[in-house]
Amino acid sequence: GESVGLHLPTLSVQEGDNSIINCAYSNSASDYFIWYKQESGKGPQFIIDIRSNMDKRQGQRVTVLLNKTVKHLSLQIAATQPGDSAVYFCAEKRNKLVFGAGTILRVKS
Amino acid sequence: DVKVTQSSRYLVKRTGEKVFLECVQDMDHENMFWYRQDPGLGLRLIYFSYDVKMKEKGDIPEGYSVSREKKERFSLILESASTNQTSMYLCASSIGYREAGYTFGSGTRLTVV
Repeated sequence: GESVGLHLPTLSVQEGDNSIINCAYSNSASDYFIWYKQESGKGPQFIIDIRSNMDKRQGQRVTVLLNKTVKHLSLQIAATQPGDSAVYFCAEKRNKLVFGAGTILRVKS
Repeated sequence: DVKVTQSSRYLVKRTGEKVFLECVQDMDHENMFWYRQDPGLGLRLIYFSYDVKMKEKGDIPEGYSVSREKKERFSLILESASTNQTSMYLCASSIGYREAGYTFGSGTRLTVV
């Protein structure tokens, strides 16, 4: 069956450091992946996406890496800021999105 | 700015009541979705719709129904609310092609007492 999971439920980082949030997926037929950020009291917001024919995609301060060999997805946040504190979800898509349980990112000042 | 609007942020209902959760999107999206979000369980798909008057069951449809009479509006209905339906409910929409993400509303936190 399909599943998307996260290795670490909570990640604490010092302000200014880089953050890496990891995600494992099990459906090798998934062809599209997304990272969402959810702040307290809000709905998930799109951060960055990547197609399965890509290994890496960069946005503003964020980079997503896709390793199809081991079915692993990661989100890297450069120079983490207090405003980055949130729950981060990965999601994979074949016909519809399947979400992981989420990782809490806490930024220490 | 594109928007998905859920009519209520917080709702408290009694067991056995019929509950309507409303969602409206202004992006002319074909697809709309209802999720519930519970601690440790992530987002679970209840129902979705690919077009007006069309609906498909998601992973946990029991105890719920939906209505999509207009493209921009997707309603979630709890026919007889129960305490185990206390949750955060999230509506989302997407354009109708494969590599498209979802835009979410802010959520409705429903408490059934």
